Amino acid sequence: VQLVQSGAEVKEPGESLKISCKGFGYSFASTYTAWVRQMPGKGLEWMGVVHPDDSEIIYSPSFEGQITLSVDKSISTAYLQWRSLKASDTGIYYCARRNYFGSGSSYGLDVWGQGTTITV
Amino acid sequence: EIVMTQSPDTLSVSPGNRATLSCRASQDIGSKLAWYLHKPGQPPRLLIYGASSRAIGVPARFSGSGSGTGFTLTITSLQSEDFGVYYCQQYNDWPPFFTFGPGTKVDLK
Repeated sequence: VQLVQSGAEVKEPGESLKISCKGFGYSFASTYTAWVRQMPGKGLEWMGVVHPDDSEIIYSPSFEGQITLSVDKSISTAYLQWRSLKASDTGIYYCARRNYFGSGSSYGLDVWGQGTTITV
Repeated sequence: EIVMTQSPDTLSVSPGNRATLSCRASQDIGSKLAWYLHKPGQPPRLLIYGASSRAIGVPARFSGSGSGTGFTLTITSLQSEDFGVYYCQQYNDWPPFFTFGPGTKVDLK
C-alpha cells in the first residue's frame, strides 16, 4: 500500500503546474485522498480531498479558488493544479489516504506520499 | 470554524524521559482527533486516531487521551526516533474536513 507522488518542480511566478499522486495496493477509487501543504518552516495545512467513486471534490475554505483538485479513477491518480503560481506557493505538498478504522468516528491519514517540493 | 491549539510550542526532553503534549479544540469535537509525528525529510506518520487508538505499528509508549475540547499525547520513555514535530488534527466524518494544530516540536535536551 503506497502513494507515489511526482517529482520536485522549479517554476517561475505566473506559470501553471499540475502534480500527481498515484495509489498502489488498495482500493484507491473508494477512499478519500487528501492534499496537505507545508510551507517552509511552517506547519501542516489541509488543502482538500477527492473521492473518485463519488466524483466528490471538497476544498478547504483557505484554498478554494487558489487550486484545482482532480482525479483519474482509471489510473488511480489524484492531481493538484495551479493556474498561475505565486512565490507563496513554495512548499512541500503531500497526498495522503483517509482511512476508516472501523469503530465510531475513527479516521486518520494513514498512508502518505513522499511529498512533492515546489519552488516558485 | 474549529481552531486547534497546541502547547507547548517546544518541549526539550532527555531520552528515556516522559513527554506530555497538549491539544485544545475551540469547540467540542468528541473523540474526532488524531496525532501525527513529522520528521524532517519524511512524510508525517499517523500515531493516534479516535483520540486514543494507536495506529498499526505504533509502539505502546505512545498513548492518547481526552475528549471534547482537551486532549493529551503522552510518550513514556522517549526514544531517539521520537524527536520531531507532533501535530494534532481534528476531523469530520462528513464533509471530510481536517484541521491541524500548529504543532509541538520535541527536541533533545
